[in-house]
Amino acid sequence: GAGVSQSPSNKVTEKGKDVELRCDPISGHTALYWYRQSLGQGLEFLIYFQGNSAPDKSGLPSDRFSAERTGGSVSTLTIQRTQQEDSAVYLCASSFLRTSFSPIQETQYFGPGTRLLVL
Amino acid sequence: GQQLNQSPQSMFIQEGEDVSMNCTSSSIFNTWLWYKQDPGEGPVLLIALYKAGELTSNGRLTAQFGITRKDSFLNISASIPSDVGIYFCAGSYNFNKFYFGSGTKLNVKP
Repeated sequence: GAGVSQSPSNKVTEKGKDVELRCDPISGHTALYWYRQSLGQGLEFLIYFQGNSAPDKSGLPSDRFSAERTGGSVSTLTIQRTQQEDSAVYLCASSFLRTSFSPIQETQYFGPGTRLLVL
Repeated sequence: GQQLNQSPQSMFIQEGEDVSMNCTSSSIFNTWLWYKQDPGEGPVLLIALYKAGELTSNGRLTAQFGITRKDSFLNISASIPSDVGIYFCAGSYNFNKFYFGSGTKLNVKP
């Protein structure tokens, strides 16, 4: 079946502009994660959606960052008034809803990422 | 905040050699995961560990969840050129938030 898809794959924008990044999780996955990866660095957790629960926004770096997940499926990450330090690869991952302690359910499948460059 | 230290940062080895990398955390985790990332791709899960002391293998890969729950290591035996990539450890306490190491870049000379 189809994996996690993200769009656009690349985005170049000017400082101060808003950008919207999209993530389509694997069908049936109810958990969705957003991460940011700067060049040569590990992944930085941004936000987590699980079913209909309120999202865990504790990783969002500032109030310029927001994310939505409509209908429990597609998610958008919005960055307002972009800054040069926002340049990074933004990765989305999805997994099954955890209903029991099962290793299979916790596997996060990652999309290819959106490469954002703020000039 | 949570600190996750991964070492080494990079390795240059000869094909056929064994490789070892590790991660340590400033606090305990209930899950340790090891990922491999190829250029331009998202990370792919290699091994997941869910119990302190657990030793798990996946082909030539072996990983262990440290007894203290604050560390994990990944071994790759008999390395081959396709093992080249960046390896990340990740830990989580409650499955809501995963913390990633900064990665180990592996280079394998044929």
